[in-house]
Amino acid sequence: DAKTTQPPSMDCAEGRAANLPCNHSTISGNEYVYWYRQIHSQGPQYIIHGLKNNETNEMASLIITEDRKSSTLILPHATLRDTAVYYCIVRATGNQFYFGTGTSLTVIP
Amino acid sequence: DTAVSQTPKYLVTQMGNDKSIKCEQNLGHDTMYWYKQDSKKFLKIMFSYNNKELIINETVPNRFSPKSPDKAHLNLHINSLELGDSAVYFCASSLDLGNTIYFGEGSWLTVV
Repeated sequence: DAKTTQPPSMDCAEGRAANLPCNHSTISGNEYVYWYRQIHSQGPQYIIHGLKNNETNEMASLIITEDRKSSTLILPHATLRDTAVYYCIVRATGNQFYFGTGTSLTVIP
Repeated sequence: DTAVSQTPKYLVTQMGNDKSIKCEQNLGHDTMYWYKQDSKKFLKIMFSYNNKELIINETVPNRFSPKSPDKAHLNLHINSLELGDSAVYFCASSLDLGNTIYFGEGSWLTVV
């Protein structure tokens, strides 16, 4: 069961930062925040995950609030190829991944 | 080289037929999964296998039978196909049950 809330859709101008929010107010202390994305007609792609510290990799940054009840995925310089559905998932180690409805991000030229 | 590969990518078949979708991963992972994504784009887990043993079997009709001949393969066999089985089926794998999941590109099944 998805325990996250995300806006159904967002737009972002090409070259700008895309900030995708996620609420997970019932997150438990042992649950990680994961982000995946699904580009049209492709399989879901892992982006990043974190527990309580902010994380950064070559694809994105993950900012988790101090109370861990919400997080933001940041794509620093969005390109047209970043147009996809972005899923925020909370999951404890050993548990399954349950996908919600995600945020459909459209990057506009 | 594709890490998680599925075949066939597209499959159109008639109601009542039996079909299989094959999945292979070359990541050396111990755990493999099947997910189903329906027309409304909801992605739901169907099965999870760890070291060739069934770990998770969500509420799936028994017409669906996964088979894992070894840790690198998890095939999905579907008997007596129904119209409602039309969906995209994704295979995935992870190092073990606690780790990040990596997905294949999906198999588009259409039952007519």
